[in-house]
Amino acid sequence: GEDVEQSLFLSVREGDSSVINCTYTDSSSTYLYWYKQEPGAGLQLLTYIFSNMDMKQDQRLTVLLNKKDKHLSLRIADTQTGDSAIYFCASKIELGGNYQLIWGAGTKLIIKP
Amino acid sequence: DAGVIQSPRHEVTEMGQEVTLRCKPISGHNSLFWYRQTMMRGLELLIYFNNNVPIDDSGMPEDRFSAKMPNASFSTLKIQPSEPRDSAVYFCASSPTRNADTQYFGPGTRLTVL
Repeated sequence: GEDVEQSLFLSVREGDSSVINCTYTDSSSTYLYWYKQEPGAGLQLLTYIFSNMDMKQDQRLTVLLNKKDKHLSLRIADTQTGDSAIYFCASKIELGGNYQLIWGAGTKLIIKP
Repeated sequence: DAGVIQSPRHEVTEMGQEVTLRCKPISGHNSLFWYRQTMMRGLELLIYFNNNVPIDDSGMPEDRFSAKMPNASFSTLKIQPSEPRDSAVYFCASSPTRNADTQYFGPGTRLTVL
């Protein structure tokens, strides 16, 4: 079935760039999302990209989409301690006339001082 | 708007007891989702509603779980009887459209079944 995969952990030094990667299986995915979950809180939409785009930039965030390889990445420039969180990748697909999000397992971003 | 509201925030109960989790979606949103999050299984979609109608409940683990949405502003997730393996954080999320666009998550209910 449809699947979204991510690495479970990423450790970076404060001030460096973080790159979180995600692969998905459904080529008909229309939107791809990045959500952020801070400790003890629900998920919050960080950014998204439409499948006909290959890049989207929003301040410190850059999303790259390689549709041929079904690969999505989130780059966080100048990583700060406040970026410590779990980052979820999600793919929007159609199933039986309805739309669903298929979620990755989440990547925990650890910031080293 | 206050966002998605869930209650209780924490629930501790004993095995065999009935548990009811509550959710108030953002006003005007058409879709509501119930998720379960555990360390072992990550984030799992249990069920979702469009315009108060259950669309897909294939993620509901077993008959012990049931969900209702009697009106556009309220939903419940009930576990009866509860078991220790049901211990998890349960999230409710709502979306302004029926197209699984941006989902707004509540703060979650942390359930512990002893």
